[in-house]
Amino acid sequence: EPEVTQTPSHQVTQMGQEVILRCVPISNHLYFYWYRQILGQKVEFLVSFYNNEISEKSEIFDDQFSVERPDGSNFTLKIRSTKLEDSAMYFCASSEALRGITYEQYFGPGTRLTVT
Amino acid sequence: AQTVTQSQPEMSVQEAETVTLSCTYDTSESDYYLFWYKQPPSRQMILVIRQEAYKQQNATENRFSVNFQKAAKSFSLKISDSQLGDAAMYFCAQDYGQNFVFGPGTRLSVLP
Repeated sequence: EPEVTQTPSHQVTQMGQEVILRCVPISNHLYFYWYRQILGQKVEFLVSFYNNEISEKSEIFDDQFSVERPDGSNFTLKIRSTKLEDSAMYFCASSEALRGITYEQYFGPGTRLTVT
Repeated sequence: AQTVTQSQPEMSVQEAETVTLSCTYDTSESDYYLFWYKQPPSRQMILVIRQEAYKQQNATENRFSVNFQKAAKSFSLKISDSQLGDAAMYFCAQDYGQNFVFGPGTRLSVLP
């Protein structure tokens, strides 16, 4: 069964450093998403991406964040200058469409980001 | 803003018994989707069940079923014949635009 993959599984970085989290969505999917989950809290939407541009973003997704689909398979989330409060689990997701009987977002296993 | 509420932070159930997890949501949309996702200790989010709001019939997937009350904006998950592998965090979610709004989750423990 196709699945979303994410690398690395765990990233430790120092405050102020740039990090890039990588995701490979399911190959025939068109919509891509990033969510984050601070430990013990709910999953929060960051950004959605379609047709090579951001289609929606939340208040969390400020100028320190950016997303890119550098080639036909990868989807990346960059945090330019990490802060302690960026420590969280980051989930990538993808979906084939936005409606329909099979509509769901498929989630990757997550990248745990620890900022020290 | 869309909100999804899960009023039970923790629940427990005996193996083989039935448990119901509650979820309420707030939306002005008439056509939307509701989801229950399971997050086991491995942390990966796995879809349990999906409900389309325009369908009156409650969705079922094997041991999992929902009680969807559109007027009350309620979407509860019933797990029958609970198994040890059902132990996880369960998140209720609603689609909102191109993203999902998640509830705070219910941690389900299954007692042998």
